[in-house]
Amino acid sequence: KQEVTQIPAALSVPEGENLVLNCSFTDSAIYNLQWFRQDPGKGLTSLLLIQSSQREQTSGRLNASLDKSSGRSTLYIAASQPGDSATYLCAVRQAGTALIFGKGTTLSVSS
Amino acid sequence: EAEVAQSPRYKITEKSQAVAFWCDPISGHATLYWYRQILGQGPELLVQFQDESVVDDSQLPKDRFSAERLKGVDSTLKIQPAELGDSAMYLCASTLGYQETQYFGPGTRLLVL
Repeated sequence: KQEVTQIPAALSVPEGENLVLNCSFTDSAIYNLQWFRQDPGKGLTSLLLIQSSQREQTSGRLNASLDKSSGRSTLYIAASQPGDSATYLCAVRQAGTALIFGKGTTLSVSS
Repeated sequence: EAEVAQSPRYKITEKSQAVAFWCDPISGHATLYWYRQILGQGPELLVQFQDESVVDDSQLPKDRFSAERLKGVDSTLKIQPAELGDSAMYLCASTLGYQETQYFGPGTRLLVL
């Protein structure tokens, strides 16, 4: 059974710092991996989708990488801002399944 | 930009009452999902539809939960009777295809007293 783990569970950084969020999964047979952002009490906003054949995707200050063989993905956030404060969730998609989520990393960026 | 719509946004109910949630996916999205998210956890799938057909409801507590998508467009999730442990965020998502991005609605936060 696929399991998704996100480390750390919480992270606090000062504004302007670059940071990396980690996601690992136990079964490398995935179709894709998706990173989401969730603000308190809100729904999920899709940030980046990486297909299994891709190594990375970039959107603005965000860069997500995927190493399928080792079961790992990272989300790199450059020059963090207080507005980046949220919970970041990663999720993997396998054949015939819906997304399987990690528990998320709660990020706090202080000004 | 097209969005997934959900209503109500918040629902407070008493134990043993019936509740219903509604979801309208992005137009043209054939696949619709209902997830449940307990505070501090990631969302977990309750039911997946492909058009009007249920593809996966293995995690749906069928003794009290039901879901339908009669015309393959909008969907309703019902709980009857509600229990204290059902307090959670209920999220609806849709996608164009299995390799595409899943788009989530704002969710319905349920509190069962």
